[in-house]
This record gives sequence, structure tokens and C-alpha cells, in this order.
Amino acid sequence: DTEVTQTPKHLVMGMTNKKSLKCEQHMGHRAMYWYKQKAKKPPELMFVYSYEKLSINESVPSRFSPECPNSSLLNLHLHALQPEDSALYLCASSQDLGRRPTYEQYFGPGTRLTVT
Amino acid sequence: AQRVTQPEKLLSVFKGAPVELKCNYSYSGSPELFWYVQYSRQRLQLLLRHISRESIKGFTADLNKGETSFHLKKPFAQEEDSAMYYCALASNFGNEKLTFGTGTRLTIIP
Repeated sequence: DTEVTQTPKHLVMGMTNKKSLKCEQHMGHRAMYWYKQKAKKPPELMFVYSYEKLSINESVPSRFSPECPNSSLLNLHLHALQPEDSALYLCASSQDLGRRPTYEQYFGPGTRLTVT
Repeated sequence: AQRVTQPEKLLSVFKGAPVELKCNYSYSGSPELFWYVQYSRQRLQLLLRHISRESIKGFTADLNKGETSFHLKKPFAQEEDSAMYYCALASNFGNEKLTFGTGTRLTIIP
């Protein structure tokens, strides 16, 4: 299995809801990432996990809460989001971190989130 | 701070004509540069990286440190090259932050 999968494909939620995005990979990768991509904009890094520990948090608001329960799974818990958080949320994985040349990142198809 | 600039949002080229997608970067260290591509209804995927010096699908890109550029080139465009192309930069050792340019949408005219 050489793919990163993401569920759900689409999500509509109200500002008071709590929901979660899920990302899975079975390539044995030890680094996983969350990106946010607004319409007609490039992906922007949110979080990086390495060996199930949070390695990078790009000053993301606390209404986004990442979780890495095991090396294959990455969640993004959402609570009290704002309409401006509507975007495509991309998950990616790579073999590892911290070496040159940088490992290739493999991207999932994304979850299209709409906050009403 | 690192920055990647792709000056063209849209680029249309006739089939069989040469293609050049421009990318300039700003980074104080030793960068790694990449081109990612997103075909219609497909996920973002790596096209090539400067380290490998490969030609992928006929595309090449050379890192020019003097001009801080990493332009993507192909001598003869094909219809299947129509896609969104992002130039990206990886920063410091141990920090796998990818900074993407704003992207260029390439359309090949039959």
C-alpha cells in the first residue's frame, strides 16, 4: 500500500461542533504532516509529527488539535471552528525527518472542510 | 525567512512548444528545491527535486544559486502536462518544513 488515505472526503460542520479528520498510511513512514490549503493558495504547513511526537506546530490556533495515536494514524480534532477555517486539509507522510536529502512527502487527497 | 516566488499564476503553451515555469527563492542557508504537480482530480505529488538531477516526464530543473532560481523546463509540451505546478523549498536540517510557491496553472493548447 503506497497511498495516504484521508477520511472523510467532505465535511460540513457548524461553529459549535466537534469533529475529527483522519489520515492513515501503511508505508512504514515515521513522519506525518497536516497542511491547510485555501482556495487558489498553496498548502501551508500546520503540524509535523515524528515517531508519534509533535515536532512542529506552526502557531496553529488551539481549536485545531492534532493527535498521532500510532505510527500509521494521524488525526486532527476540530472544535469551535470559524468560517475562515473552511479549506482543504491535506495530510502527508514521509519516511523520516532530519536528514539530507529530505525525504519525499506523499500527500493524501485531502478533506474539504466547510464551516457554517 | 524563506520564500518561494512563482511569478506566473497562469501559463498557456501550445502542444509541442517549449515550456518554462519560473521559480525564484529566498533562503539564507543551503536549500533543497522541489517541483510538485497536481493533475486534475489527483493528489499533490512530487515531480522532481534538484538533488536527483533527473528528468521526469521530460521535465528538468536546474538549481541556479547565483540567480536563486529553480525553473522547470520541458522542450516539447504535451497535453497531459496540463496541471497545477508548485515550486517548494525545504529548509534547515531536521526541520522538514516545505514552503510552497503560489503555483502556476499550466494549460497546454492542442
